[in-house]
Amino acid sequence: AQSVTQLGSHVSVSEGALVLLRCNYSSSVPPYLFWYVQYPNQGLQLLLKYTTGATLVKGINGFEAEFKKSETSFHLTKPSAHMSDAAEYFCAVSVNNNDMRFGAGTRLTVKP
Amino acid sequence: SAVISQKPSRDICQRGTSLTIQCQVDSQVTMMFWYRQQPGQSLTLIATANQGSEATYESGFVIDKFPISRPNLTFSTLTVSNMSPEDSSIYLCSTSRGPETQYFGPGTRLLVL
Repeated sequence: AQSVTQLGSHVSVSEGALVLLRCNYSSSVPPYLFWYVQYPNQGLQLLLKYTTGATLVKGINGFEAEFKKSETSFHLTKPSAHMSDAAEYFCAVSVNNNDMRFGAGTRLTVKP
Repeated sequence: SAVISQKPSRDICQRGTSLTIQCQVDSQVTMMFWYRQQPGQSLTLIATANQGSEATYESGFVIDKFPISRPNLTFSTLTVSNMSPEDSSIYLCSTSRGPETQYFGPGTRLLVL
């Protein structure tokens, strides 16, 4: 079965600094990969996804992620952090739509 | 994307009681999913609900504790039965719209005293 590991349960950056949230996956078949964001007291919002095609995917709010098969990674980046980016971020993997597995989550803090 | 609403948004319940959570989708969908997010943790799939058939439960979750209804293609309910403080969690429903992707409702925040 597929699984996801998010490195770092808590990441803290300064406003304007690079955001890098790490995600590695395990899957025996080509995976679909997702990043979701959860703001305080809200549900999950899809940031971006990789299914097929271009390995660099762009999402909402200036985030992007690159699928690297050789490294089994799907790290999330944003060039310049904003205070409003403070939230919990979840990486997820699916090999079919019925079976989506989530990572443990990374809490992003943005310091002024 | 899909527009998903949940009721109630939050509740405080006494142990031993039951709570039914409603999930409404803005258009017809085949599959709906129910997840639990315990405090400070990630999401765990409880069950998958297809219209017209019994829900499929994941390991560790049973129908007697979490009965699910799926009366039509836009609606589902999850009941948390005979609650204990360990059931305090966020319960989220989701559905798929287009290939591969799940969209989530805002969640129901449950506190059991």
